[in-house]
Amino acid sequence: AQSVSQHNHHVILSEAASLELGCNYSYGGTVNLFWYVQYPGQHLQLLLKYFSGDPLVKGIKGFEAEFIKSKFSFNLRKPSVQWSDTAEYFCAVNAGRGYNKLIFGAGTRLAVHP
Amino acid sequence: SAVISQKPSRDICQRGTSLTIQCQVDSQVTMMFWYRQQPGQSLTLIATANQGSEATYESGFVIDKFPISRPNLTFSTLTVSNMSPEDSSIYLCSVEPAINEQFFGPGTRLTVL
Repeated sequence: AQSVSQHNHHVILSEAASLELGCNYSYGGTVNLFWYVQYPGQHLQLLLKYFSGDPLVKGIKGFEAEFIKSKFSFNLRKPSVQWSDTAEYFCAVNAGRGYNKLIFGAGTRLAVHP
Repeated sequence: SAVISQKPSRDICQRGTSLTIQCQVDSQVTMMFWYRQQPGQSLTLIATANQGSEATYESGFVIDKFPISRPNLTFSTLTVSNMSPEDSSIYLCSVEPAINEQFFGPGTRLTVL
């Protein structure tokens, strides 16, 4: 069965620090990959997605993610975090199978201190 | 994009009762999804609801426990039946107005006593 692993459950950073959140998935076929973000009190929002092409994907708010097929990874990065990036981040995989089922990782809570 | 609303936003219920959660979207969509997020855990897909057909349930979820209606292209309901404290979760609906792009509702926070 497909699964998604997020290595860090809680991350605490100071403003301007660099961020990298790990995400690994287990599925041997073609996948679509997503990062979602949930800011405090808000809906889950799509941050970025990868379907094909350039493995380095740019998203909103300065986030990017790199798909490394050989490592089954899709890590999220931001060179300099802000206090407003405090949120929970979810990695998700869509492995098709006739309908678009999203399989989510456990999530990473990021707290950015000013 | 799509704007999704859910009702109620939260509820506290007694065990053995049922709660129906409504999901309304501002545009017509073919596919709607219901997810559960248990405390401290990630989102798990309960079922996919297409208008005009029966919902498709994921492993571990059954229609008797989570009946779903999808009367039109902008609305769906999920009922949590015969609730127990283990059903305490956030229940979210999502829609896919474009291929591989899901938008989520605000969720319904359910507490079962």
